[in-house]
Amino acid sequence: AQSVAQPEDQVNVAEGNPLTVKCTYSVSGNPYLFWYVQYPNRGLQFLLKYITGDNLVKGSYGFEAEFNKSQTSFHLKKPSALVSDSALYFCAVRDISGGSYIPTFGRGTSLIVHP
Amino acid sequence: NAGVTQTPKFQVLKTGQSMTLQCAQDMNHNSMYWYRQDPGMGLRLIYYSASEGTTDKGEVPNGYNVSRLNKREFSLRLESAAPSQTSVYFCASIRTGNHEQYFGPGTRLTVT
Repeated sequence: AQSVAQPEDQVNVAEGNPLTVKCTYSVSGNPYLFWYVQYPNRGLQFLLKYITGDNLVKGSYGFEAEFNKSQTSFHLKKPSALVSDSALYFCAVRDISGGSYIPTFGRGTSLIVHP
Repeated sequence: NAGVTQTPKFQVLKTGQSMTLQCAQDMNHNSMYWYRQDPGMGLRLIYYSASEGTTDKGEVPNGYNVSRLNKREFSLRLESAAPSQTSVYFCASIRTGNHEQYFGPGTRLTVT
């Protein structure tokens, strides 16, 4: 079984400050991990993924995430937040051991960046 | 490329009415998915199609049916709509060997 948790419903940060959106996962095998962003009244857009290799993954719009196997975490980070980063962020996991293409999504974290 | 397209964008139904949500992708992707998004619930998988000619149930399939008409199109049908099916519905696709999903813009459905 696979699952993902986003422990914060909402994250508030001031523009220019660093931001972190948390994600932890559970899989029986090895994980593929993803972050997606959803702007109001839009579909989800892919931000970045961890498949294998370097634990620090860089993605779109200056976002990055660090895969931590011992803590089963994949937190999303950005060094300097922009007001335009305000959106809903989803973490997703897929257990590659079974060969499935079915990811499990977290409940989402609303990021609010204040001017 | 238009990517993943969905029609309609908005729909209001009365309880018991039926309708079909349409989804098409022009990226030659093999796998397609239907999700519903409800506040605080994230995305829940309704049905998916790993390839043309195959469909499988997801987490919340009750009250829905699907058809993978061809490689491009994957439709979702509500035979007898219920207020509990009020939601935003997203279609997504993925290419075999790739990993990230591409999502459509969504259909906002209200059942009264």
